[in-house]
Amino acid sequence: DAMVIQNPRYQVTQFGKPVTLSCSQTLNHNVMYWYQQKSSQAPKLLFHYYDKDFNNEADTPDNFQSRRPNTSFCFLDIRSPGLGDAAMYLCATSREVGVAGQFQNIQYFGAGTRLSVL
Amino acid sequence: AQSVSQHNHHVILSEAASLELGCNYSYGGTVNLFWYVQYPGQHLQLLLKYFSGDPLVKGIKGFEAEFIKSKFSFNLRKPSVQWSDTAEYFCAVNSLNTDKLIFGTGTRLQVFP
Repeated sequence: DAMVIQNPRYQVTQFGKPVTLSCSQTLNHNVMYWYQQKSSQAPKLLFHYYDKDFNNEADTPDNFQSRRPNTSFCFLDIRSPGLGDAAMYLCATSREVGVAGQFQNIQYFGAGTRLSVL
Repeated sequence: AQSVSQHNHHVILSEAASLELGCNYSYGGTVNLFWYVQYPGQHLQLLLKYFSGDPLVKGIKGFEAEFIKSKFSFNLRKPSVQWSDTAEYFCAVNSLNTDKLIFGTGTRLQVFP
């Protein structure tokens, strides 16, 4: 059963038309992440929430915003998509676990939403 | 800043061949190391991880990786690949001070019957 669920799997939008991607989780993890992955490139972290605390990466464009209304859901809003924003968007969750005095953090990924911008 | 290098961008093998994918990272402190696999059309899945202890870690589907601290490396190995191992493989690192993963650019593995 999918534990990190992203909807929709494929999203087509028009240049400049706002779009929202959604992510939900059944793991009750306190940390949620949004990554952008372009073809043949590594996933690039856009931002993450540690509980309700929002952490934006320094190089994430202002065009990208996020909301986390509760533990289970997180949204990625792209206010004015450009052609360069076409990519796969990955959501991930994690929870720190203390093992032998060390915090271990494993991220679990959703299947992603592939965004096309026309 | 931390970075992860995967020097093999595309690897093509026949079934039963042995596999080794390179991963090097740059970070002077204590790190956690991961290999993720992404099968065609599927999500990133954790293949194996290293937090501490035995530097030779075993993961799912017969994969293993060895952490060599002196070489800042965490190479992935499998003695005999199968067609079903065709996928993209990503090495990733995070330091103990952060929740963030730094990914390598990935290695695309194609296995032919």
